[in-house]
Amino acid sequence: SQTIHQWPATLVQPVGSPLSLECTVEGTSNPNLYWYRQAAGRGLQLLFYSVGIGQISSEVPQNLSASRPQDRQFILSSKKLLLSDSGFYLCAWRGTLTDTQYFGPGTRLTVL
Amino acid sequence: AQRVTQPEKLLSVFKGAPVELKCNYSYSGSPELFWYVQYSRQRLQLLLRHISRESIKGFTADLNKGETSFHLKKPFAQEEDSAMYYCALRQGTYKYIFGTGTRLKVLA
Repeated sequence: SQTIHQWPATLVQPVGSPLSLECTVEGTSNPNLYWYRQAAGRGLQLLFYSVGIGQISSEVPQNLSASRPQDRQFILSSKKLLLSDSGFYLCAWRGTLTDTQYFGPGTRLTVL
Repeated sequence: AQRVTQPEKLLSVFKGAPVELKCNYSYSGSPELFWYVQYSRQRLQLLLRHISRESIKGFTADLNKGETSFHLKKPFAQEEDSAMYYCALRQGTYKYIFGTGTRLKVLA
């Protein structure tokens, strides 16, 4: 069966430090991959999605970037974190023949 | 602009009472709409999609194109229905727009 992992689960970082959040999917090939940020009162905001290795679509211009170095690996990065980057980051995957997104457990990022 | 609106941040109902979680959308094409749910300490998961016309855990949602709504309904709320509910719209092939969510509390 398919599973999706995210790590770390929680992260506290100082302003100006770099960021790397990782998401991996098992049990499926060529998934569509997504990064969302979940903030209180703002719902889920789509940050990036990818339909294949090296293919990244950015939805919100900001301090973050994403990469997909392998078929089932999706990485969210930043060179210098801002206070406003704090939030709960969710990774999700979707199969090519389905419309259902499957979400990971999320990463709680606090920037101090 | 494409948008999903959930006007209620919090909805409290008593056990056994009917529930309606509101969702309105703005979309120029033919919409594909979904309801996702997040129970306490669990992952966000799909509850139902309009195209399936299904009832999941007693919940139903009907797409009303005239009113651009996709409200989620259940005739008799249960305590285990307490959760965060998100309405979502698929834009194009890959992108999804989520509403701000409604927290449902079912009181004993």
